[in-house]
Amino acid sequence: GQQVQQSPTSLVLQEGENAELQCNFSTSLNSMQWFYQRPGGSLVSVFYNPSGTKQSGRLTSTTVIKERRSSLHISSSQITDSGTYLCAIMNTGGLSGKLTFGEGTQVTVIS
Amino acid sequence: NSKVIQTPRYLVKGQGQKAKMRCIPEKGHPVVFWYQQNKNNEFKFLINFQNQEVLQQIDMTEKRFSAECPSNSPCSLEIQSSEAGDSALYLCASSLYSSAETLYFGSGTRLTVL
Repeated sequence: GQQVQQSPTSLVLQEGENAELQCNFSTSLNSMQWFYQRPGGSLVSVFYNPSGTKQSGRLTSTTVIKERRSSLHISSSQITDSGTYLCAIMNTGGLSGKLTFGEGTQVTVIS
Repeated sequence: NSKVIQTPRYLVKGQGQKAKMRCIPEKGHPVVFWYQQNKNNEFKFLINFQNQEVLQQIDMTEKRFSAECPSNSPCSLEIQSSEAGDSALYLCASSLYSSAETLYFGSGTRLTVL
């Protein structure tokens, strides 16, 4: 079965709304990262967050290892937040550096 | 902002042709990863290097792909004989660490095999 599952698959937000993206994983992990992918392909690392809570500007990530989940909270969304958000894990005992990605949440922010 | 540079941006090949793409990792990053992202957003790890040495690679990469990261030259990934199923976005990433902490990705090479 799929090791990393993201929800929702897609999301449409009115500018200024908040959103929470979920990532659930079925294996124990060494690391957890959130990425943002612009239309056209370029991936940008948003958070490296193997556990606990991290905040950067309007984005907050919380990873709860024992519950095998991580969330990404977007507050006061802006049109420039539109894109695909991907979570990726590295399993314990897995290939060194091999990240397993979820299929992403496509976020569209409209005015 | 990532300074991982991938070329070409787009690549179109016929079945059976060779397809080669290049990657210049971020300066000072000894570890380079190649991923394949298909149209369903599914990522597949292909291979990673630390300096010039292969750390890990999957079976497919061993058999049909060749990759290298020579010193003082761009890293490269080459498909020896392209197949339709190879059509995808090929992403190169670099990191200070083999644990892939804080990966920096390039913009990718989009390969279309006709």
